[in-house]
Amino acid sequence: NAGVTQTPKFQVLKTGQSMTLQCAQDMNHNSMYWYRQDPGMGLRLIYYSASEGTTDKGEVPNGYNVSRLNKREFSLRLESAAPSQTSVYFCASTTAGPQETQYFGPGTRLLVL
Amino acid sequence: GNSVTQMEGPVTLSEEAFLTINCTYTATGYPSLFWYVQYPGEGLQLLLKATKADDKGSNKGFEATYRKETTSFHLEKGSVQVSDSAVYFCALATDSWGKFQFGAGTQVVVTP
Repeated sequence: NAGVTQTPKFQVLKTGQSMTLQCAQDMNHNSMYWYRQDPGMGLRLIYYSASEGTTDKGEVPNGYNVSRLNKREFSLRLESAAPSQTSVYFCASTTAGPQETQYFGPGTRLLVL
Repeated sequence: GNSVTQMEGPVTLSEEAFLTINCTYTATGYPSLFWYVQYPGEGLQLLLKATKADDKGSNKGFEATYRKETTSFHLEKGSVQVSDSAVYFCALATDSWGKFQFGAGTQVVVTP
């Protein structure tokens, strides 16, 4: 089992460019999450998908969109990148509700110039 | 709203020293409490968890007890190793979707 995989590992964008971060899990989990990690702020939830076909906003959704493509895949899109979106992005998944253990991917480091 | 407060780091210790990382929380309802660990260059992984008051979570020599009366979930280890150097995150989750909160993280550095 690969667990949770993320691509790319690292990306540099110019302000205004768009990109999609990919996430896939092979654990047959129902729920998936996108977080951003910034120094001194811990992890903040951007969007989550409780189950295939549903998505909802988390704490910091502005500037992002998501797609739950199927049960395995959950992508995060930046339509017009801004320097404030420079961060490390983590995808996670769980079997069911938010009180279950979350399994994290290795992260994508994004730099927006 | 829900929130988690944990002690700021970095915490620097010598090998075999005792480690405590304080964590307190504010939540509506009855949250589950977690400690996650992040090793350099990696994603977070679960260290331990407790789902109700007075539960003790334990793993790899680490322990934490869910204290409802003091709204705390402090992490302890009796004798740390260099391999315990990492960032530790306290977190809580309630039944409500989206109500999952992480603390800011505490970096621990263990020197030989």
